[in-house]
Amino acid sequence: DAKTTQPPSMDCAEGRAANLPCNHSTISGNEYVYWYRQIHSQGPQYIIHGLKNNETNEMASLIITEDRKSSTLILPHATLRDTAVYYCIVRGYNAGNMLTFGGGTRLMVKP
Amino acid sequence: KAGVTQTPRYLIKTRGQQVTLSCSPISGHRSVSWYQQTPGQGLQFLFEYFSETQRNKGNFPGRFSGRQFSNSRSEMNVSTLELGDSALYLCASSSSDYTEAFFGQGTRLTVV
Repeated sequence: DAKTTQPPSMDCAEGRAANLPCNHSTISGNEYVYWYRQIHSQGPQYIIHGLKNNETNEMASLIITEDRKSSTLILPHATLRDTAVYYCIVRGYNAGNMLTFGGGTRLMVKP
Repeated sequence: KAGVTQTPRYLIKTRGQQVTLSCSPISGHRSVSWYQQTPGQGLQFLFEYFSETQRNKGNFPGRFSGRQFSNSRSEMNVSTLELGDSALYLCASSSSDYTEAFFGQGTRLTVV
């Protein structure tokens, strides 16, 4: 699986958009980008995933660059409950449902 | 629809003992994966079962084993417990390949 690089921590003001970057420069053409988050001591929660087109759901938007070497998760109006560790994961084609977690980004939403 | 259920939620064991953790996936999900989370190593993949067969395995010693039953429920076993096995053990289920995984709340194991 491709390795991902994320900043260890970020702050965001409540009500503002949170933009979380992820670098995956060695991604292969058939590998998807997944985002999960983990609120303290809970199991990770799926947010969104995509291959090459931008994706949006009720939680977030995922912007993938044209060369697919990086992506950005956007939480449009961050709330205090969005404070969590966010993981960007590149999922290999033959990896089944195995997820390889990196260090993630600890997002702190502040009032 | 009920979520992924892990039992027990908390467990304290003594070094050298063995432990069995249980995971009931979401109804209809055939894939179950297990993860270990520690402050030092983060979230690490243990193994995945799909239709009662182990499909992927992480880099853990043979003391860690698992199985999946015909109703998709899964158990993982750790034998000869070590202090370093203290961790949050998470189970996730998926309906098929490349769909989202749903995680349980985990079992927090403390080895003393």
